[in-house]
Amino acid sequence: AAGVIQSPRHLIKEKRETATLKCYPIPRHDTVYWYQQGPGQDPQFLISFYEKMQSDKGSIPDRFSAQQFSDYHSELNMSSLELGDSALYFCASSPHRGRYTEAFFGQGTRLTVV
Amino acid sequence: RKEVEQDPGPFNVPEGATVAFNCTYSNSASQSFFWYRQDCRKEPKLLMSVYSSGNEDGRFTAQLNRASQYISLLIRDSKLSDSATYLCVVIRMDSSYKLIFGSGTRLLVRP
Repeated sequence: AAGVIQSPRHLIKEKRETATLKCYPIPRHDTVYWYQQGPGQDPQFLISFYEKMQSDKGSIPDRFSAQQFSDYHSELNMSSLELGDSALYFCASSPHRGRYTEAFFGQGTRLTVV
Repeated sequence: RKEVEQDPGPFNVPEGATVAFNCTYSNSASQSFFWYRQDCRKEPKLLMSVYSSGNEDGRFTAQLNRASQYISLLIRDSKLSDSATYLCVVIRMDSSYKLIFGSGTRLLVRP
C-alpha cells in the first residue's frame, strides 16, 4: 500500500542557508501535518493543512513557511537556518477530519544544520 | 502542564511480562485517541486506535476512560521486539483539528 513519502531523507545545510522539505501524502488523504522532533523529544506540531488551506499552526518559527499544493503534496520551507533547527521532520497525512481518523507518518527528513 | 501526559519510563521488563502504560489528557475537546509506537530514529507508526468500549488486538489491549480523561495500553506476553517508545496521541477537535502527542513511554524488554 502507498505510504507517506518524504524527501529528501537526509539533508545537511549550513547556518543561514535555506531548506525545502517535501511531503507526498497517501492518495486521497486531504490533511497533512508537519512535526519537528529533536533528539530525545516528542514530536512538536508545526503546521497542518486541510484541503490545501492552512488549518492550524503550532510552534512554527516565522522563518519557516509551508503550503499544500493542488495535488495535495506539501512543502516546508525553512530559511535562515539555525543550529537548533537540526531535527527529524515528520509529515503525516490523514484521510478526513472525522472521528477515529488515524494519521500515517512518512519516514521523516533528518535535517542537520552545521 | 502538557496537554497529554505519559509516564516517561523506562519500563524495563523481562520477556513474557505484562506491562501497562497510562496516559492522561487535559482538554475535554479531545475526541479520538491512539497509541503509536516509535523505534529509535524512525517515524511513529500507528499501533492501535482506542475506542470508547475498549479494544484488543492480539497481545495489546487499549482502554479509554472519558470521565477520568485517561487512556491505557496493556501489553501481554512481552517480546523483545516490543522494545520501543509508545506514544499516546490525541486528536483535539474544537476550533482546530490537531494531533497532540504525549512525550512517550519507553519500554525495554530484556531476555
